[in-house]
Amino acid sequence: GESVGLHLPTLSVQEGDNSIINCAYSNSASDYFIWYKQESGKGPQFIIDIRSNMDKRQGQRVTVLLNKTVKHLSLQIAATQPGDSAVYFCAENINQAGTALIFGKGTTLSVSS
Amino acid sequence: DTEVTQTPKHLVMGMTNKKSLKCEQHMGHRAMYWYKQKAKKPPELMFVYSYEKLSINESVPSRFSPECPNSSLLNLHLHALQPEDSALYLCASSQEVVTERAFFGQGTRLTVV
Repeated sequence: GESVGLHLPTLSVQEGDNSIINCAYSNSASDYFIWYKQESGKGPQFIIDIRSNMDKRQGQRVTVLLNKTVKHLSLQIAATQPGDSAVYFCAENINQAGTALIFGKGTTLSVSS
Repeated sequence: DTEVTQTPKHLVMGMTNKKSLKCEQHMGHRAMYWYKQKAKKPPELMFVYSYEKLSINESVPSRFSPECPNSSLLNLHLHALQPEDSALYLCASSQEVVTERAFFGQGTRLTVV
């Protein structure tokens, strides 16, 4: 069977490696998910989003995978660069009135050259 | 213009002071948000405005008072804060409240002394 990726508060990789950051979301009714990158002293910056009718979406050097069965989201960063060092948050939203984006725990990615 | 602008960037205030945080966006977004972020924690939702009306108040103490004077502006009025209210206050906006990517400002770093 599939395994659920553990949330790690920190991840250290070498420049050029691929990085995988995991997130377990809380609400099975959530149908929209975003990954944000937050650098020190700055606000969260949009990376990529995915809706619940998809299980994979690709951007430039990033891929988001969604597994609704186990309520798991992952962000894959290809050829990680030092500029990717930051805290990464997943956020979820439920498509109904009275809700807004709720953030999960962050993962601090450190890239060494 | 895809910016959310927050002023001031830094604010130090005493527990008896009254101050205001300001947020502005010119993307035509109809939803605006206040989040509070403590060090090494994810942003926590405080308030949501949709079409200039308060739609979500996440049980925030009354010493925080939001205001939405028009569709481009969002204020957060502060009065009689406590040292534990020291945090990064983030403003965000999105086209609509649900299932939409939110754009964040750089935040106001608030210190209560």
